[in-house]
Amino acid sequence: NAGVTQTPKFQVLKTGQSMTLQCAQDMNHNSMYWYRQDPGMGLRLIYYSASEGTTDKGEVPNGYNVSRLNKREFSLRLESAAPSQTSVYFCASNGGNLPQETQYFGPGTRLLVL
Amino acid sequence: AQTVTQSQPEMSVQEAETVTLSCTYDTSESDYYLFWYKQPPSRQMILVIRQEAYKQQNATENRFSVNFQKAAKSFSLKISDSQLGDAAMYFCAYGSGGSNYKLTFGKGTLLTVNP
Repeated sequence: NAGVTQTPKFQVLKTGQSMTLQCAQDMNHNSMYWYRQDPGMGLRLIYYSASEGTTDKGEVPNGYNVSRLNKREFSLRLESAAPSQTSVYFCASNGGNLPQETQYFGPGTRLLVL
Repeated sequence: AQTVTQSQPEMSVQEAETVTLSCTYDTSESDYYLFWYKQPPSRQMILVIRQEAYKQQNATENRFSVNFQKAAKSFSLKISDSQLGDAAMYFCAYGSGGSNYKLTFGKGTLLTVNP
């Protein structure tokens, strides 16, 4: 039982490049989330998926797209990376067995856009 | 929209002493959940404690306890017998939304534990 896993752990991109951050959970959770963490800003929600087949925008969705590939996997795509997207990205999940409302987080992906 | 405010960007405590981290939130909902998460230098987000708004009793987990004041919309975290391993960033979070459940985080409090 690995919980929530994220790949890659660290990535350097040039402005304009694209990439996909991968997230998977093995806890049979219904809901999955993508956050970004910037210094002094806490965690801000980018997109979330309340169930397989649905996705919704969070607080800061601009410049990102997501795909809920199946119940286990939720990916975040940057189509044209910008320096403002330099951040630490966290994936999280909750639902299924109790306590349903507690979110469990992956280890994070550190992204640097030059 | 809900907001979560942590008014103390940094706090420090002596080892073995007690420290309280503050958190206030703004909401018009009656059914919600509150959390404290710890983020050590490894960046892993670790759940410390959770509180259901419908419960009057304050949650406790070993050395960690909360003071939940629903009317005042306040949710403080008390750490007793502080240990060096408690040094971390602490985030307060508010959860609600039913089928569209989401968390809103505060900006965090950096806790330093002095030996």
